[in-house]
Amino acid sequence: QTVVTQEPSLTVSPGGTVTLTCASSTGAVTSSFYPNWFQQIPGQAPRALIYSTSKKHSWTPARFSGSLLGGKAALTLSGVQPEDEAEYYCLLYYGGAWVFGGGTKLTVL
Amino acid sequence: QVQLQQSGPGLVKPSQTLSLTCAISGDSVSSNSAAWNWIRQSPSRGLEWLGRTYYRSKWYNEYAVSVKSRITINPDTSKNQFSLQLNSVTPEDTAVYYCARDFYTSGWYSVDPWGQGTLVTVSS
Repeated sequence: QTVVTQEPSLTVSPGGTVTLTCASSTGAVTSSFYPNWFQQIPGQAPRALIYSTSKKHSWTPARFSGSLLGGKAALTLSGVQPEDEAEYYCLLYYGGAWVFGGGTKLTVL
Repeated sequence: QVQLQQSGPGLVKPSQTLSLTCAISGDSVSSNSAAWNWIRQSPSRGLEWLGRTYYRSKWYNEYAVSVKSRITINPDTSKNQFSLQLNSVTPEDTAVYYCARDFYTSGWYSVDPWGQGTLVTVSS
């Protein structure tokens, strides 16, 4: 069974930069996995931030960016704001099935 | 602007069938670029993709291995919606269920929008 792994938790200071990663048990993540990233505030549905590795939705703040880094998908937040405290999920495509990562709880402290 | 509106019961008895519907506005269930997904979320299992239906000259379904023997996702072209049926439910199927569109064009894939979510509790 395919497993997608994210850091369970990360802490960042306001104004700082943090990178969240998303790894696949099958090997290196490439653009063919079409990595999507979502932000979830407790009690709300996930909100799409990044699709196909690095493309932003019209509502995605400029401080969020997506990339491939060291065989993983990555989400970088630059100039973190207090409102960025949330759970972040990645989603990878395996040719007929989508698999979510376990999520990263981002604390802004 | 594409919107998804979910409906269905919030309480299902063990061994019975969970049924939810997702109504689509702003797109067509028969779109050649979209697929229509069901996803669930629980504290124990996190976010879990369950399956999808899509039309590419004919209808296709793809299901997660974990639920493949119990799940059916059907399109309804007359009402522009799609449905989820999950058979033989147990308390482990208690979760918030979401519908979502995935959209493929020009070499990129996005998964958006999502429905509002429906908490389904499996209990007698």
